Amino acid sequence: QLQLQESGPGLVKSSETLSLTCTVSGGSISSSSYYWGWIRQPPGKGLEWIGNIYYSGSTYYNPSHKSRVTISVDTSKNQFSLKVTSVTAADTAVYYCARLVLRIAASDTRRWFDPWGQGTRVTVSS
Amino acid sequence: QSVLTQPPSASGTPGQRVTISCSGSRSNIGSNTVNWYQQLPGRAPKLLIYSNNQRPSGVPDRFSGSKSGTSASLAIRGLQSEDESDYYCAAWDDSLNGPVFGGGTKLTVL
Repeated sequence: QLQLQESGPGLVKSSETLSLTCTVSGGSISSSSYYWGWIRQPPGKGLEWIGNIYYSGSTYYNPSHKSRVTISVDTSKNQFSLKVTSVTAADTAVYYCARLVLRIAASDTRRWFDPWGQGTRVTVSS
Repeated sequence: QSVLTQPPSASGTPGQRVTISCSGSRSNIGSNTVNWYQQLPGRAPKLLIYSNNQRPSGVPDRFSGSKSGTSASLAIRGLQSEDESDYYCAAWDDSLNGPVFGGGTKLTVL
């Protein structure tokens, strides 16, 4: 059974860089049918997509964050990582990693996140 | 403000049927399939419905999804206390080239 686990500091100072890693177990990150994504949830708010990465290193970012976000992959460790630079209080959130499933049908491409990691809470302090 | 629009709250009594709506636009729901996630208090989201109306293994058939045009709905029949949760709709957005989510609906079982 595939599992994802986020890890990284729970407290980051304002203007510094947030760094998180997602470790994938029970399956290979190098599968051709999947992308790997980061999603965050500010306190009391909804879900926000940050970006995705393919095992080859191809990345796709939410334009709202593109200038500050970098997602990378390490296939040898079955991990992918997130870096957010110049953080502010608005970056305080629970950060989730998840597998993005792709299914190409006759007329369209279907995508959904499954499974998700348990999430890691990151607080940006001043 | 979320790209997809959901009612902030919904409620029902045990055994009742409830529906949660999700409204989008041509670039997301109008062009792509809809997924639903259940987020129990203090937990990570869990896939509930994918590809508009498909249930992953282990999800009870009390949960069903549908889509029409630029809107979608999640229906829960035979409501149970353990269904009390936040529910999020999501769809790929062709303009964003990424997924968009609804703001979430908090379901209360009275």
